[in-house]
Amino acid sequence: QKEVEQNSGPLSVPEGAIASLNCTYSDRVSQSFFWYRQYSGKSPELIMSIYSNGDKEDGRFTAQLNKASQYVSLLIRDSQPSDSATYLCAVNNRGNQFYFGTGTSLTVIP
Amino acid sequence: DADVTQTPRNRITKTGKRIMLECSQTKGHDRMYWYRQDPGLGLRLIYYSFDVKDINKGEISDGYSVSRQAQAKFSLSLESAIPNQTALYFCATSDSRGGEQFFGPGTRLTVL
Repeated sequence: QKEVEQNSGPLSVPEGAIASLNCTYSDRVSQSFFWYRQYSGKSPELIMSIYSNGDKEDGRFTAQLNKASQYVSLLIRDSQPSDSATYLCAVNNRGNQFYFGTGTSLTVIP
Repeated sequence: DADVTQTPRNRITKTGKRIMLECSQTKGHDRMYWYRQDPGLGLRLIYYSFDVKDINKGEISDGYSVSRQAQAKFSLSLESAIPNQTALYFCATSDSRGGEQFFGPGTRLTVL
């Protein structure tokens, strides 16, 4: 079983819609959760971090964490073509190692 | 100036050659990491270092070695490159709390 799993997609949404990205993790004691965005050929850049159960909002982005279900998600409201990228979920396992999912490819259609 | 830099940005080499990838950071972070990224496989950890005297193997360390020359410098070596080491390599840093990682721009390595 992989430490972090994501649907690889591709996920396509029309401009202005809500994009929903999902991630599950295997280690119950994981403490820190991150969403990175990666454009093709570029390095990952952090867009959201979340550490406690519930929702965390930052502009058009909302991260949701449910530790009981070992599930973390990212919602992108009012999706724009510039949001088209691969989104990586990452989990920090007890502060020692990061584990990344394989990423979900998102395409926002104008 | 970029906080995390990598050199070279692109490299083409031949099977059997020794190659070194270098990473420098100005973020003052203690922790540094080397990853490789392959299509469909995501980011995989090669080695990580929590300080100058601490080096740890990651998920896929075979065929690689590292050196932490200073807090700000962490280099990755391929002693005898092989074609399946063709990939995009990223260096990353984080603070001692293990918070978010900050990535360098990447090195695209091709082994012929």
